[in-house]
Amino acid sequence: AQRVTQPEKLLSVFKGAPVELKCNYSYSGSPELFWYVQYSRQRLQLLLRHISRESIKGFTADLNKGETSFHLKKPFAQEEDSAMYYCALGGGTGFQKLVFGTGTRLLVSP
Amino acid sequence: ETGVTQSPTHLIKTRGQQVTLRCSSQSGHNTVSWYQQALGQGPQFIFQYYREEENGRGNFPPRFSGLQFPNYSSELNVNALELDDSALYLCASSLARREETQYFGPGTRLLVL
Repeated sequence: AQRVTQPEKLLSVFKGAPVELKCNYSYSGSPELFWYVQYSRQRLQLLLRHISRESIKGFTADLNKGETSFHLKKPFAQEEDSAMYYCALGGGTGFQKLVFGTGTRLLVSP
Repeated sequence: ETGVTQSPTHLIKTRGQQVTLRCSSQSGHNTVSWYQQALGQGPQFIFQYYREEENGRGNFPPRFSGLQFPNYSSELNVNALELDDSALYLCASSLARREETQYFGPGTRLLVL
């Protein structure tokens, strides 16, 4: 069964501190992994996906197949990073389907 | 480029009633997926439509049904509403490949009393 686990409901850090949002997945096939972000009063939007290997707004995530993890990292948090972050696993045979974790709220204090 | 839009934004229904939610996909996208997001949870996949046919379904009962139209817009219908159907319903559009990004609409918040 496909499953995504985000163990932290809330992560609170100070501005300038490093951030790591944890994501572990369970999937027998070749995983497609995404991080989506939802800022206050905005829609869910893609932050980054492992296939593109890019850094968006200073965030990076590396797929570790051995540990089945896709943790999201940023070396220096900014107040505007405060948001809800969801890790998602792409699955489905012959169709797209995203399996989401329960999300982690990141709060960056000044 | 027009993003994904959904209507209505909010809806209140009573148990046993039926509801129809609407979604217009992003320009150029031929695939629409629907998700249910209960309070405090991540979105859960309901089903996906590609070229007017359902081509994938999650763990939702048959009273959740949908349609996709030739312009790729879509409807989600829920019959015999239950209290647990109260949630945010999200629509996402994409191109039809597994690794493609899904773009989400703002959602319709449904409250069942």
